[in-house]
Amino acid sequence: DAGITQSPRYKITETGRQVTLMCHQTWSHSYMFWYRQDLGHGLRLIYYSAAADITDKGEVPDGYVVSRSKTENFPLTLESATRSQTSVYFCASSQQGVNTEAFFGQGTRLTVV
Amino acid sequence: AQSVAQPEDQVNVAEGNPLTVKCTYSVSGNPYLFWYVQYPNRGLQFLLKYITGDNLVKGSYGFEAEFNKSQTSFHLKKPSALVSDSALYFCAVRDIGTNAGKSTFGDGTTLTVKP
Repeated sequence: DAGITQSPRYKITETGRQVTLMCHQTWSHSYMFWYRQDLGHGLRLIYYSAAADITDKGEVPDGYVVSRSKTENFPLTLESATRSQTSVYFCASSQQGVNTEAFFGQGTRLTVV
Repeated sequence: AQSVAQPEDQVNVAEGNPLTVKCTYSVSGNPYLFWYVQYPNRGLQFLLKYITGDNLVKGSYGFEAEFNKSQTSFHLKKPSALVSDSALYFCAVRDIGTNAGKSTFGDGTTLTVKP
């Protein structure tokens, strides 16, 4: 299906475990983003990518790793999950250009116990 | 650094009344401003954007936004609210410098429309 999809939609993991959230878009958008959404903090940018093999830190990158070997995929890895990383994670993509809007996935609700 | 502020955490209106969700911005250079809506358990959806030109921008679902350069505001409006408009609304500004491509979002405003 066309669009941007995230998997899994829900994930429960234990403290210290590694977990990877997947994001796939079918538009060949240049830019891809990972945000986390927490009550009282709105949306905070974790990492973003301007193109394949180009990534950059956002506002809250600590504890996260990203890669982008293909334009359409942008996985987010929590190397050693902590309870503070319990959140809803959104992936988004957009075309190149400052006048372009972002398209968001449905989100992944991650709980670290 | 570019930023947006949404001064109201919550806006309550009665169905059929006009609604306004406020946003102010701080940018260096020309602003590229966006409004998004988030329904429960969903991702954000694009509503409208201001790039240049007319100060009144029309978007999806009957929403519009008024850009005011002197007041550095970009308020979201709708002439007649519907119960189905109840959602979380985000204002965003797109970076135009070396970090061009990423956006900064406000903290969001929860709109509740009561029947």
